Amino acid sequence: DTEVTQTPKHLVMGMTNKKSLKCEQHMGHRAMYWYKQKAKKPPELMFVYSYEKLSINESVPSRFSPECPNSSLLNLHLHALQPEDSALYLCASSQDPRSNIQYFGAGTRLSVL
Amino acid sequence: SQQGEEDPQALSIQEGENATMNCSYKTSINNLQWYRQNSGRGLVHLILIRSNEREKHSGRLRVTLDTSKKSSSLLITASRAADTASYFCATYSQGGSEKLVFGKGMKLTVNP
Repeated sequence: DTEVTQTPKHLVMGMTNKKSLKCEQHMGHRAMYWYKQKAKKPPELMFVYSYEKLSINESVPSRFSPECPNSSLLNLHLHALQPEDSALYLCASSQDPRSNIQYFGAGTRLSVL
Repeated sequence: SQQGEEDPQALSIQEGENATMNCSYKTSINNLQWYRQNSGRGLVHLILIRSNEREKHSGRLRVTLDTSKKSSSLLITASRAADTASYFCATYSQGGSEKLVFGKGMKLTVNP
């Protein structure tokens, strides 16, 4: 099983809402990632979790809050987002955090109204 | 920051033709990878080439790496309409970096 599952596929939220994006993998990978991708742009790294600990935060605004409850799950909690945060949010995992192939989920298309 | 720059940014070809995409990067790398992304979907890993390798093949894909020029190329032979997608090169910097940095990407359109 080489699948990374993201839910929901689509999300529309207001600027005062609180929502969460979920990501799950059962490949035994010990590194998980959140990326943000705007249209016609490459993915931009947001967070890296290595062995369930946050190892990289790319200066992401605090309205995005990651959580790694266990080695298979990764959440991204959203609060007080801005319209410019509308994007495709991608989750990925890799066997370990250094120099490995990353496996991506299909993404969550987020629209902030 | 973006490490890689693909060239050309967009390419349109006919089915059966070959497609070549080039990527340049700036720092010393551990490996270079190519990913494909169908419209609005997740990325799929295509091939990885290590810094001590010069060429690698996988099916219809051929990747070359020139570390002296800090560049790589991806060749797709006998293209198919299903190859229509965006293609990204991505690199891990040398020294055990945990950060995979993507290039700007190239949109390939294969016309039937």
